[in-house]
Amino acid sequence: SQTIHQWPATLVQPVGSPLSLECTVEGTSNPNLYWYRQAAGRGLQLLFYSVGIGQISSEVPQNLSASRPQDRQFILSSKKLLLSDSGFYLCAWSETGYGTQPQHFGDGTRLSIL
Amino acid sequence: GQSLEQPSEVTAVEGAIVQINCTYQTSGFYGLSWYQQHDGGAPTFLSYNALDGLEETGRFSSFLSRSDSYGYLLLQELQMKDSASYFCAVREGYNQGGKLIFGQGTELSVKP
Repeated sequence: SQTIHQWPATLVQPVGSPLSLECTVEGTSNPNLYWYRQAAGRGLQLLFYSVGIGQISSEVPQNLSASRPQDRQFILSSKKLLLSDSGFYLCAWSETGYGTQPQHFGDGTRLSIL
Repeated sequence: GQSLEQPSEVTAVEGAIVQINCTYQTSGFYGLSWYQQHDGGAPTFLSYNALDGLEETGRFSSFLSRSDSYGYLLLQELQMKDSASYFCAVREGYNQGGKLIFGQGTELSVKP
């Protein structure tokens, strides 16, 4: 069966520090991968998605970047965090193809910037 | 622009039926999905409608009318564990990695 791992679960970082959040998927090949951010009480904002190794699409210009160095690894990074980067970050994957392709989410990382 | 509208909050009692509506305005449409998210948890997939009509999965049903750009999620025989946020999401494009646009979510509170 497929599983998605996302870590860390909680992170507290000072303003101006770098960030690296990692997400890995097991049990599938060539998945679509996604990074979302969710503010408290709000919907999910798509940040990046990837359809293959090294292929990153950015949805919202911002202080963050994403990379996909391996087929089932997706990394969210920042060189210098801002206060506005605080939030709940969720990684997700889906099968490639058309039609019903539900997205499966990791448990998320709650990021607080001080 | 793209937008999905759903009520911010809904309250119902245990055992009742509740309907959560979603209207969408997007540049393309390839299906409406519903996700459930318990407080502090990860969203989980509930249902998907690509064609008009009703899809039933146990106590949950989802409906779509493409001509009205409208859908709803119907929850029957409500249980306390159904208290959660529910999100509708639209798949806008065919070749965009299956990406979804999410609504802001409806917080459902089930009372005893």
